[in-house]
Amino acid sequence: NAGVTQTPKFQVLKTGQSMTLQCAQDMNHNSMYWYRQDPGMGLRLIYYSASEGTTDKGEVPNGYNVSRLNKREFSLRLESAAPSQTSVYFCASNDRGFTSPLHFGNGTRLTVT
Amino acid sequence: QQQVKQSPQSLIVQKGGISIINCAYENTAFDYFPWYQQFPGKGPALLIAIRPDVSEKKEGRFTISFNKSAKQFSLHIMDSQPGDSATYFCAASRDSNYQLIWGAGTKLIIKP
Repeated sequence: NAGVTQTPKFQVLKTGQSMTLQCAQDMNHNSMYWYRQDPGMGLRLIYYSASEGTTDKGEVPNGYNVSRLNKREFSLRLESAAPSQTSVYFCASNDRGFTSPLHFGNGTRLTVT
Repeated sequence: QQQVKQSPQSLIVQKGGISIINCAYENTAFDYFPWYQQFPGKGPALLIAIRPDVSEKKEGRFTISFNKSAKQFSLHIMDSQPGDSATYFCAASRDSNYQLIWGAGTKLIIKP
């Protein structure tokens, strides 16, 4: 089992460009999450999908959109990238809810110049 | 009331020593307290978690101690090994529908 797979691993964008971060899990989990990790700030939730067909905003949703394509896949889109979105992005999944163990991918390191 | 304050920011411990990382929270409704371990270039992975109905939980060399009255919980790593060198995050949540609130992380280095 691959677990949670994120693509790409690295990306450099210019301000104003758009891109989509892809995430897929093979554990048949119901819930999926997108986090960003910045030095000294822990992990901050961007969006989550409690189950297929639903998405909800997290702590820092501005500038992002998500799509729960099916039970396996959850994508994160930056429509017009800004330098403030330079970060490491992690996708995670679990059975259900925030008190179940989260399984993380290995992250996408995004730099916006 | 949303914060989880983690300390220290970084920690250096000799091999074989005890590593201690502390977290404090404000929201008394929190009832789930996990610790995650993250190696460079990898995502975090759940290490151990505790609910407030117990004051201590042990898994191998890793122990969570929980003090409900002080609103604090800590991670103790006994007989610390170089392979324990990683960043550790505490977090808290009040129920399955309430997002995890994360500490800022502690970078632990175990010196051989």
